[in-house]
Amino acid sequence: EIVMTQSPATLSVSPGERATLSCRASQSVSSNLAWYQQKPGQAPRLLIKRASARATGIPARFSGSGSGTEFALTISSLQSEDSAVYYCQQYKNWPPTTFGQGTRLEIK
Amino acid sequence: EVQLVQSGTEVKKPGESLKISCKASGYSFSDYWIAWVRQMPGKGLEWMGIIYPDDSDTTYSPSFEGHVTISADKSTSTAYLQWRSLKASDTAIYFCARDPHGPAAFLDYWGHGTLVTVSS
Repeated sequence: EIVMTQSPATLSVSPGERATLSCRASQSVSSNLAWYQQKPGQAPRLLIKRASARATGIPARFSGSGSGTEFALTISSLQSEDSAVYYCQQYKNWPPTTFGQGTRLEIK
Repeated sequence: EVQLVQSGTEVKKPGESLKISCKASGYSFSDYWIAWVRQMPGKGLEWMGIIYPDDSDTTYSPSFEGHVTISADKSTSTAYLQWRSLKASDTAIYFCARDPHGPAAFLDYWGHGTLVTVSS
């Protein structure tokens, strides 16, 4: 089973600034990586698929990068509504596909 | 509009059985895989397994195989997750989600979740 490790656990950033969230895989997942946003009491929402392709309806200020074992989600020009927990998921090796433990993004 | 509507909150006792549902609409149910994902209280996401409704081809995570059963009914566009004997550790929110490129890929549409509480 591939282990996904996200860092940092919590990130606090001011509105208008940029946030970069990291995700590392225990072995190469090529570009088979997705990012999700989950707000309290809600289901996760797909942000990024295939490491860098934005999902339908996702604003351009969300971008994904990386391949192999190192990935990043960058959110530029942060807004208060971006406060959430963000998860990465690998789907190269399965079963199971595996998620990271999440990064909590707080907007100051 | 793609929608996955899940059944409501359940409160059960250890040892009881349970079947929760996920009704799909807005797309061809038979043509897309449906996955189930667990989220224990205050914790992250765990992929449990996946089913292809057209032929009921099913794959489970080793962590869940033997403890849950995933099924689907094409006639009602509904996927199911069931337990024969619940444990307290099954207390969690369970999400169904559509996998557009399965049998294991990203999940593009999610249900709102079903909260299952198992307590004596």
